Amino acid sequence: DAGITQSPRHKVTETGTPVTLRCHQTENHRYMYWYRQDPGHGLRLIHYSYGVKDTDKGEVSDGYSVSRSKTEDFLLTLESATSSQTSVYFCAISEEGLYFGPGTRLTVT
Amino acid sequence: GESVGLHLPTLSVQEGDNSIINCAYSNSASDYFIWYKQESGKGPQFIIDIRSNMDKRQGQRVTVLLNKTVKHLSLQIAATQPGDSAVYLCAENFGNEKLTFGTGTRLTIIP
Repeated sequence: DAGITQSPRHKVTETGTPVTLRCHQTENHRYMYWYRQDPGHGLRLIHYSYGVKDTDKGEVSDGYSVSRSKTEDFLLTLESATSSQTSVYFCAISEEGLYFGPGTRLTVT
Repeated sequence: GESVGLHLPTLSVQEGDNSIINCAYSNSASDYFIWYKQESGKGPQFIIDIRSNMDKRQGQRVTVLLNKTVKHLSLQIAATQPGDSAVYLCAENFGNEKLTFGTGTRLTIIP
């Protein structure tokens, strides 16, 4: 257990609304990641962070922003949710490989 | 191995038999590889890793083999049990802190 929690675990929202997903870790890891997982695409990196206020884009970053104001929290924001952002979102921390949180299932209607 | 379209490759194995799950990776510069197990409704769980300077590594009931010549990775699970039923994901890293994942193989254990 890498001490990673995600909230909420499930969310249904409407197209056009903003959504923020939270990842919290308890073990002071420097690197944190947000992935999305979709059938046929596997896990794809959205954004990652290599320290407080230090973030960078992954391969599918359009429509998403992130913030990391504290080591333990990494927030993923969908500024205006679209149906294509319906997915399962996983947060991960880096410790000789990635360790994943339990995931957030997001449905955009 | 890698999936085609929306369907995961599947592997069905009799309980007690050995399983071999294969993965083709994409980047010849990749230097670190990981196998994950993902059960339904859960996040991927780290199983075993291997660096590119090795061709084999063993864990508890699992062995990972790396063939850099053909860019192929395999996971062998000995004496499979019902709890081994899951999707298995391979991942590669090429010198940065980011992993690239395959789409996975679904392993089903037949009692």
